[in-house]
Amino acid sequence: GEDVEQSLFLSVREGDSSVINCTYTDSSSTYLYWYKQEPGAGLQLLTYIFSNMDMKQDQRLTVLLNKKDKHLSLRIADTQTGDSAIYFCAEGDGANNLFFGTGTRLTVIP
Amino acid sequence: DAGVIQSPRHEVTEMGQEVTLRCKPISGHDYLFWYRQTMMRGLELLIYFNNNVPIDDSGMPEDRFSAKMPNASFSTLKIQPSEPRDSAVYFCASSSPRNFSGRLNTEAFFGQGTRLTVV
Repeated sequence: GEDVEQSLFLSVREGDSSVINCTYTDSSSTYLYWYKQEPGAGLQLLTYIFSNMDMKQDQRLTVLLNKKDKHLSLRIADTQTGDSAIYFCAEGDGANNLFFGTGTRLTVIP
Repeated sequence: DAGVIQSPRHEVTEMGQEVTLRCKPISGHDYLFWYRQTMMRGLELLIYFNNNVPIDDSGMPEDRFSAKMPNASFSTLKIQPSEPRDSAVYFCASSSPRNFSGRLNTEAFFGQGTRLTVV
């Protein structure tokens, strides 16, 4: 399978911006996704970006894609304690396969 | 649709016992995935099915693990015999890839997970 890598932990102070990074290896990826997992729950799709886009913004969320470097990031502006969760990066390879990173556990410090 | 349904939500069993986890995918979805999540290793893909057929089981840790999908609306993941290191949250997910302007969107929908504790 393809490699999707993320750091395991991130801590930020409430009100600051959070940036969660992800790298992937498959140059044929079509969609890239961010999933959120709240405590005790399954993963839910947060946002996604087409592989031919550089940026997508949705309220406090900004997704940046650097296709040349195969780097994806999720920025959360004005991070709140309710944003504490595990965030998963995933890529779709255009052949019905979906590959997940291990997840980044975001802790928001009040 | 109620979403992906997994049962049980929690399972505590003794080492050596057989454990069966169950999943009902979203109706109409033709892909089904089993994942395992631990603090140390994050989310790991164990196996996935397409139209009830196992496609890739390379993530299954060892022969003690087996998965079946007898029909489009039901799948099981079995561990026999179970060991303490199998303790984890097991997720089932389903998807139905959609083609948008020549690009496949493979958004997956996850169940709530089964938290397995083997003592």
